[in-house]
Amino acid sequence: EAGVVQSPRYKIIEKKQPVAFWCNPISGHNTLYWYLQNLGQGPELLIRYENEEAVDDSQLPKDRFSAERLKGVDSTLKIQPAELGDSAVYLCASSLVGVAYNEQFFGPGTRLTVL
Amino acid sequence: AQKITQTQPGMFVQEKEAVTLDCTYDTSDQSYGLFWYKQPSSGEMIFLIYQGSYDEQNATEGRYSLNFQKARKSANLVISASQLGDSAMYFCAMREGRSGGYNKLIFGAGTRLAVHP
Repeated sequence: EAGVVQSPRYKIIEKKQPVAFWCNPISGHNTLYWYLQNLGQGPELLIRYENEEAVDDSQLPKDRFSAERLKGVDSTLKIQPAELGDSAVYLCASSLVGVAYNEQFFGPGTRLTVL
Repeated sequence: AQKITQTQPGMFVQEKEAVTLDCTYDTSDQSYGLFWYKQPSSGEMIFLIYQGSYDEQNATEGRYSLNFQKARKSANLVISASQLGDSAMYFCAMREGRSGGYNKLIFGAGTRLAVHP
């Protein structure tokens, strides 16, 4: 079974430029998460989707960040415009709610560097 | 507010020895879950072990065991017979709420483990 796929793995942009990250969750997983991981810290939830609905986006900076999950499968996280402080790793995870202890499966992340 | 504390920024252990990574948590919920994840340099978070708040026995998964002390609100990870491939960041995380429902995870800051030959 394929794991969570993310692309790109690395992205370097200049400040004020837009950037987008893509995530393909594990097949059949109805819940998708985007996390932000700053250097030396644990991941922090940005947004959670159940199917195509964003059910928790309280931590998403909506002035510059946006996300979508079309058809309840793939998801895209966008930043426009990027700031220096956005340099971090962006992790995508998926899970199947209602099964056991809802283990979240993580992708390898996208490391963003804003110059 | 829910919080996870990992007080050891870095640990090292000799190959084949056991090591304990500390984790304390704070929650007012009666139902919660505790996870440990491993993050190697490749960046992917790898699930290791889970302990539910109502589980009476400590969880074990191969060389990993979780020393769950509910009254002290601690959930330490024990790795037995360390291997060079165990060198990585280790994160303790807590799920708010009941199993089977919404699964927001709160992570600690992590502990970097180095296994020496």
